[in-house]
Amino acid sequence: DTAVSQTPKYLVTQMGNDKSIKCEQNLGHDTMYWYKQDSKKFLKIMFSYNNKELIINETVPNRFSPKSPDKAHLNLHINSLELGDSAVYFCASSQDPQVNTEAFFGQGTRLTVV
Amino acid sequence: TQLLEQSPQFLSIQEGENLTVYCNSSSVFSSLQWYRQEPGEGPVLLVTVVTGGEVKKLKRLTFQFGDARKDSSLHITAAQPGDTGLYLCAGAKWPHKLSFGAGTTVTVRA
Repeated sequence: DTAVSQTPKYLVTQMGNDKSIKCEQNLGHDTMYWYKQDSKKFLKIMFSYNNKELIINETVPNRFSPKSPDKAHLNLHINSLELGDSAVYFCASSQDPQVNTEAFFGQGTRLTVV
Repeated sequence: TQLLEQSPQFLSIQEGENLTVYCNSSSVFSSLQWYRQEPGEGPVLLVTVVTGGEVKKLKRLTFQFGDARKDSSLHITAAQPGDTGLYLCAGAKWPHKLSFGAGTTVTVRA
């Protein structure tokens, strides 16, 4: 069983469209994250949720709206997609409240905006 | 600006050689983690160091946390082609924030 799974793995879409990426973890973790990895491989945190509540929003444009229906799911909806949104998006989870514990990552969603 | 600076950005060595990757910051972290990422996959944890001055060994990999808990290093002895990958350091801060360095791409040639 995959610990953190995100879908889709690849997403190609036109500018201006709205798209969603889904993430689910079966580890029983309380904390989930969304990261963006750019073409230079820099992994930047976007959001952190703890028990369905938003903890961190790293100055992400409000076109990005995370939704956590329960603590096992954290979905990412993106409105009015722009070329600069092209990147690999990673979902991750970790045990709460221990900040020092391991973050488990999904396989990533490669988003290409054309 | 990045919270964690990794160096070098790229490293290409021959099988059997040693290598060291550095991770530096002006911030203090509650812990520092090292991850390895393969193409098309998410990062996977190698080690977590928590105590200032701590040294951890994982077979041919040695990890060190600086005394002031601001920097860390990863040393690989007798590198093998299977060590090829992107190595990422990450600093943990409350609340629930894991910040990554830009990564070091390591290539070990057979």
